[in-house]
Amino acid sequence: GNSVTQMEGPVTLSEEAFLTINCTYTATGYPSLFWYVQYPGEGLQLLLKATKADDKGSNKGFEATYRKETTSFHLEKGSVQVSDSAVYFCALTPYSGAGSYQLTFGKGTKLSVIP
Amino acid sequence: DTGVSQNPRHKITKRGQNVTFRCDPISEHNRLYWYRQTLGQGPEFLTYFQNEAQLEKSRLLSDRFSAERPKGSFSTLEIQRTEQGDSAMYLCASSTGQSNQPQHFGDGTRLSIL
Repeated sequence: GNSVTQMEGPVTLSEEAFLTINCTYTATGYPSLFWYVQYPGEGLQLLLKATKADDKGSNKGFEATYRKETTSFHLEKGSVQVSDSAVYFCALTPYSGAGSYQLTFGKGTKLSVIP
Repeated sequence: DTGVSQNPRHKITKRGQNVTFRCDPISEHNRLYWYRQTLGQGPEFLTYFQNEAQLEKSRLLSDRFSAERPKGSFSTLEIQRTEQGDSAMYLCASSTGQSNQPQHFGDGTRLSIL
């Protein structure tokens, strides 16, 4: 079956530091890949997505590139802010011919940014 | 776009009682999904509707769980004879019918079993 593995947290960074959260996946064919973010006390919000190999998703200074050869979708940001403190989830949906639309999530990585 | 709405936000009940949650998707979205999230874990898929048809169910959805979407708009998730292990956050999401479109989540219903 499909699975997503992301680096375990918590991750604590100083403001303006560089962020990388690793994510690798196991799936048949070409799944669609997503990063969701969950701020304290709130629901999941879509951060960015990529639907085919070598696509780069970006939003709010965050970026992730769909790497088919390494089955990875690592999240990066050049300079984090205190407001980026949240839990980040990597997720996938199966390739479009699978007839399934369920999201498979990683366990989440908690990021804390200190001033 | 008013977003996905879930009610109630919190539900506390005694073991053995039945509970029902409601989800109102984004109005033009014909796909609706239910997930369950326990503390420290990512959400796990429970079931999915396209319009009023329930097309996919997870093995996590035991026979005590039932979901409906009678007119293809809002959906309800009922848990009968609740157990301690049902304590979790229940999340609803919706999306359009186009392929590769992201799912948009509500804030969830937190269920606590006493």
